[in-house]
Amino acid sequence: GENVEQHPSTLSVQEGDSAVIKCTYSDSASNYFPWYKQELGKGPQLIIDIRSNVGEKKDQRIAVTLNKTAKHFSLHITETQPEDSAVYFCAASIETSYDKVIFGPGTSLSVIP
Amino acid sequence: NAGVMQNPRHLVRRRGQEARLRCSPMKGHSHVYWYRQLPEEGLKFMVYLQKENIIDESGMPKERFSAEFPKEGPSILRIQQVVRGDSAAYFCASSPPSRGGTGELFFGEGSRLTVL
Repeated sequence: GENVEQHPSTLSVQEGDSAVIKCTYSDSASNYFPWYKQELGKGPQLIIDIRSNVGEKKDQRIAVTLNKTAKHFSLHITETQPEDSAVYFCAASIETSYDKVIFGPGTSLSVIP
Repeated sequence: NAGVMQNPRHLVRRRGQEARLRCSPMKGHSHVYWYRQLPEEGLKFMVYLQKENIIDESGMPKERFSAEFPKEGPSILRIQQVVRGDSAAYFCASSPPSRGGTGELFFGEGSRLTVL
């Protein structure tokens, strides 16, 4: 089955700097890659996603890139703010008749004011 | 439009007791997923259900765990004879009916089980 790895496990950045989180996946059939943000005591919430037919997607300060050949995808957050502090999960899904989304282990991001 | 509702938010059980966790999906959603999150770990897929059907339970432990999503009422994750290792946050997510699979999962705020 699908296996998703994620690095780093913890990341501290100064406010205003950029943060990059990298993930790899194992199943070449995966074609949907969402990123979720989990704040303390809350459930994960989708922040951005990318499908395999594009290599990059951007939404304001957040961008994701996908390299299908290498089975890598990354999340980039620019101009970080204290409210970006949270745990971020990458995930991969194979397009079948249902969503079975496999998550990476998570990255705890701390933005230092 | 209410989101995914989980209850109880916190549950304490002694070893050997039963835990029942409930999940009401978002309105219009007929797909429910349960994930387990151990402390300092990621989200592990447990089971995927549609109304009255278990579609994929490949992440469920073989014993003591069961899940259902009846025609009426919430989805229930049931853990019998709980052990300390069952202590975790259990998240439910829902999604609308979709052909082809991919799309956003909407998560509840989780049920945190503590086994004494």
